[in-house]
Amino acid sequence: LAKTTQPISMDSYEGQEVNITCSHNNIATNDYITWYQQFPSQGPRFIIQGYKTKVTNEVASLFIPADRKSSTLSLPRVSLSDTAVYYCLVGDMRSGGSYIPTFGRGTSLIVHP
Amino acid sequence: DSGVTQTPKHLITATGQRVTLRCSPRSGDLSVYWYQQSLDQGLQFLIQYYNGEERAKGNILERFSAQQFPDLHSELNLSSLELGDSALYFCASSAQTGATSNSGANVLTFGAGSRLTVL
Repeated sequence: LAKTTQPISMDSYEGQEVNITCSHNNIATNDYITWYQQFPSQGPRFIIQGYKTKVTNEVASLFIPADRKSSTLSLPRVSLSDTAVYYCLVGDMRSGGSYIPTFGRGTSLIVHP
Repeated sequence: DSGVTQTPKHLITATGQRVTLRCSPRSGDLSVYWYQQSLDQGLQFLIQYYNGEERAKGNILERFSAQQFPDLHSELNLSSLELGDSALYFCASSAQTGATSNSGANVLTFGAGSRLTVL
């Protein structure tokens, strides 16, 4: 069972780069790391996923060191609309062998003008 | 629009009543997941279906039940409602089964949720 630890909250300002680090010391060999974003009263939205090294898409970058015991979500030049809760997920097995994405408390990011 | 449709968006009912929440997965997705989100508990996994069959159960109360129909839409039934059942209920879908071989790579697409208020 891979548990994740991430900061409860972070503050930033418009135009800055934001890095949110997630610890997952017990990550399994075949586990991927997935990040979701959730705005108030909306469903979580997939941001990015990776297995090792670096992944980049139009929204964010994900940095994963060689030992894979942590990962960092990087949001370039944030705006007010990036204010949301960000969840870091690592594979979680349930009975019957089915992988169920398990959400922790996430990191509440507040972007200030 | 994520492609996952949930109805109703809002529901207000009284304690002891029964409600049904409906979810249509994204086109082509065979797996449906139900989650409950309340202020004090965060996002809690309830149950998963794949192509009509129950695949995994989380902390779902005995008063709650779900099913997935042949057209792949799913319904979550909540009965004998209590004040503490007030929450946002999210449905999510995935193309993958969630089985061991796909561990960790499973990406969910969530609906907009159904807000249940029990008075």
